Amino acid sequence: EPEVTQTPSHQVTQMGQEVILRCVPISNHLYFYWYRQILGQKVEFLVSFYNNEISEKSEIFDDQFSVERPDGSNFTLKIRSTKLEDSAMYFCASSVGTAPRETQYFGPGTRLLVL
Amino acid sequence: AQSVTQLGSHVSVSEGALVLLRCNYSSSVPPYLFWYVQYPNQGLQLLLKYTSAATLVKGINGFEAEFKKSETSFHLTKPSAHMSDAAEYFCAVSPFAGNMLTFGGGTRLMVKP
Repeated sequence: EPEVTQTPSHQVTQMGQEVILRCVPISNHLYFYWYRQILGQKVEFLVSFYNNEISEKSEIFDDQFSVERPDGSNFTLKIRSTKLEDSAMYFCASSVGTAPRETQYFGPGTRLLVL
Repeated sequence: AQSVTQLGSHVSVSEGALVLLRCNYSSSVPPYLFWYVQYPNQGLQLLLKYTSAATLVKGINGFEAEFKKSETSFHLTKPSAHMSDAAEYFCAVSPFAGNMLTFGGGTRLMVKP
């Protein structure tokens, strides 16, 4: 069964550094998402992406965040200058059509630790 | 604004016992409701979803959930727990239009032999 994959599974970085989290959505899916879960807190929506544009974003998704589909298979989340509070599990998801009717399929996550 | 509350961050049941995981939502419009499960080191997997068709929704692995508008609830049940059901379960809500899932805090289900 097709799966969403994410790399790396764990990343440790220093405060102020840039990080790029990578995701490979399911191949025929057209909608892509990033969520995050700070330890002990709820899973929170960050952004959705369709047709090479952001379609929806939350208040969390400020100017330090950006998303890109650089090559037709990968979907990336960039954090420009990481802060301690960016430490979280980041989940990528994809869906074949527009949610909520279409199921969002989630990857296993990237655990980011900012020191 | 939508929100989801999952009562009980940890639930422990014996193998073979009834599983009941509670979810209450608030939404100003008819919502779509979801239950996801997360096994260790894996992504969130959809168990079932309510999309305004039947109020009793059957999902994978023997789970089901009932949408009760009067109680704003969407509790997840399974008649008989298996050891393999031990995982974290998330309830989520989405508006009729829009991509954003709003999650509850999750409930970790432990199954005792």
